[in-house]
Amino acid sequence: EDQVTQSPEALRLQEGESSSLNCSYTVSGLRGLFWYRQDPGKGPEFLFTLYSAGEEKEKERLKATLTKKESFLHITAPKPEDSATYLCAVRPKGAQKLVFGQGTRLTINP
Amino acid sequence: GAVVSQHPSWVICKSGTSVKIECRSLDFQATTMFWYRQFPKQSLMLMATSNEGSKATYEQGVEKDKFLINHASLTLSTLTVTSAHPEDSSFYICSADREGREYEQYFGPGTRLTVT
Repeated sequence: EDQVTQSPEALRLQEGESSSLNCSYTVSGLRGLFWYRQDPGKGPEFLFTLYSAGEEKEKERLKATLTKKESFLHITAPKPEDSATYLCAVRPKGAQKLVFGQGTRLTINP
Repeated sequence: GAVVSQHPSWVICKSGTSVKIECRSLDFQATTMFWYRQFPKQSLMLMATSNEGSKATYEQGVEKDKFLINHASLTLSTLTVTSAHPEDSSFYICSADREGREYEQYFGPGTRLTVT
């Protein structure tokens, strides 16, 4: 069964304190791994799609990496406005739908 | 990035009435759209996959006669909650596939439904 597990469930950091969020997955063939950011009361905002092990993508203070079993979302020198829930999802090959993890709730204190 | 809109952003209705929620892809065509619901502090729960011009595929446990989905064009899908009850109160979010050089899926801003 295709499955996505995110850790930690919640993370509190001080402004400027870099860290990483983990997304472990098991899937019967990977078409893509996705990272989204979701603010309270809003729909998820697309961040990245990764397709193969070794791939990396960056956007501002965020960098996503991918291995055959997990993905990391690295956040460098975060600011309070980076506080949000970060969702990871996989799209199995041959499937249309995404399989989501439970998310990591990130809080950046000023 | 691509834009997906939803209307209305919030709605309050009385028990027993029906409510329609629209999902539009504003700057791209979407052969496939998805409908999710989300409870507080929980992740997204897929309700159904909507393909343009064909019947929606519902996830196990989702009543297709209660949650009617229509995907009549490449930019519009609708979700109708029929005979709504308080337990249908939730946050409903749609998403749309944008396939091209890279595969991306974009989400709408969500619709908060409250049934009284």
